[in-house]
Amino acid sequence: ETGVTQSPTHLIKTRGQQVTLRCSSQSGHNTVSWYQQALGQGPQFIFQYYREEENGRGNFPPRFSGLQFPNYSSELNVNALELDDSALYLCASSAGLAGSYEQYFGPGTRLTVT
Amino acid sequence: QKEVEQNSGPLSVPEGAIASLNCTYSDRGSQSFFWYRQYSGKSPELIMFIYSNGDKEDGRFTAQLNKASQYVSLLIRDSQPSDSATYLCAVSLVNNDMRFGAGTRLTVKP
Repeated sequence: ETGVTQSPTHLIKTRGQQVTLRCSSQSGHNTVSWYQQALGQGPQFIFQYYREEENGRGNFPPRFSGLQFPNYSSELNVNALELDDSALYLCASSAGLAGSYEQYFGPGTRLTVT
Repeated sequence: QKEVEQNSGPLSVPEGAIASLNCTYSDRGSQSFFWYRQYSGKSPELIMFIYSNGDKEDGRFTAQLNKASQYVSLLIRDSQPSDSATYLCAVSLVNNDMRFGAGTRLTVKP
């Protein structure tokens, strides 16, 4: 176990709705990164939060947004859900920026959009 | 050209053999390289990381990095059926963003 937790485990939403996913980082880690993993694909980087500020973003539209709290836990918000948003959403925590420190993943949230 | 490329496999090796997994990347400024193992239905698990050219060994695993060729590999010695999983190569970009390959599926046959 990595010490990174995510909630909920599974979620079913309808197209057009909004969703919030949550992640608690490992003790001592100040950075959380979010990834989307479609079936049969590698994780796609959404963004990372370092000390409560967004620091780096992948090719995802603005309807994907996030927050990091003073205890370094984080939320991923997705507005106006589309069918293609169905995927496993992973968060990973690290002791610093993801490119320079090892990342440890949580168990993921499986989102299904119908 | 994809930022991180891996052979999708499947790669099949007999128990006890050496499994060789390869990865190429496009960003010459990349400094950090990671190998993750992902079992079906589970999240990725960090196996190894390497920052410098050459080899890095950890138990049955050896990571090899050649920045001039933009190539990183993972060797698994004495492969076990429990090593059967998808192996993901991850590379950090200059701005600290991370990019993953699509993964190579490895099957170790008893």
